[in-house]
Amino acid sequence: DGGITQSPKYLFRKEGQNVTLSCEQNLNHDAMYWYRQDPGQGLRLIYYSQIVNDFQKGDIAEGYSVSREKKESFPLTVTSAQKNPTAFYLCASAGEGTDTQYFGPGTRLTVL
Amino acid sequence: EDQVTQSPEALRLQEGESSSLNCSYTVSGLRGLFWYRQDPGKGPEFLFTLYSAGEEKEKERLKATLTKKESFLHITAPKPEDSATYLCAVTNSGGYQKVTFGTGTKLQVIP
Repeated sequence: DGGITQSPKYLFRKEGQNVTLSCEQNLNHDAMYWYRQDPGQGLRLIYYSQIVNDFQKGDIAEGYSVSREKKESFPLTVTSAQKNPTAFYLCASAGEGTDTQYFGPGTRLTVL
Repeated sequence: EDQVTQSPEALRLQEGESSSLNCSYTVSGLRGLFWYRQDPGKGPEFLFTLYSAGEEKEKERLKATLTKKESFLHITAPKPEDSATYLCAVTNSGGYQKVTFGTGTKLQVIP
């Protein structure tokens, strides 16, 4: 069964801690993305990667970091520098030559 | 800067009452327009991609259409299970696959 998995589903963090959100896909897609979703706002792009070992900042990259060491994996680290990290985080991927993005189930991060 | 505006923000329908959701867009060269369905607490589920004005796509009770300025998602004889937030998004003809999303229309279908 091809798809995108994200873990964990729920994550709680204390202020000042870094946390890493996992995103894995077995669709053989080259491009992967991280979005943040807040109530009443559209999805906002954090980082994207079009190929292994390469990634670019999106619209709201401050306080976040990523890596792309494998085609299947694109983990997102939310650092203590992110001022308002409580949100729903979505990972997506897209195949070569297409703009259609497919999303994972999301991770809800809450900072206590 | 690309912009996507969806209306209405929320829509309440009786089961069987057909209606349409609107997605108005401003983009520097439309490359693709996308519709997604999102259930509470879940990731968006892909529905349609439209590429050019006049194009139409259908899936069960849903039909998406595209003009040069807007797209409509028509829902025919909706059922309660169609209740969800419907998201519209666009990509432009620029260098990479940047997608601009609207804020969505929350649809509630009442039995």
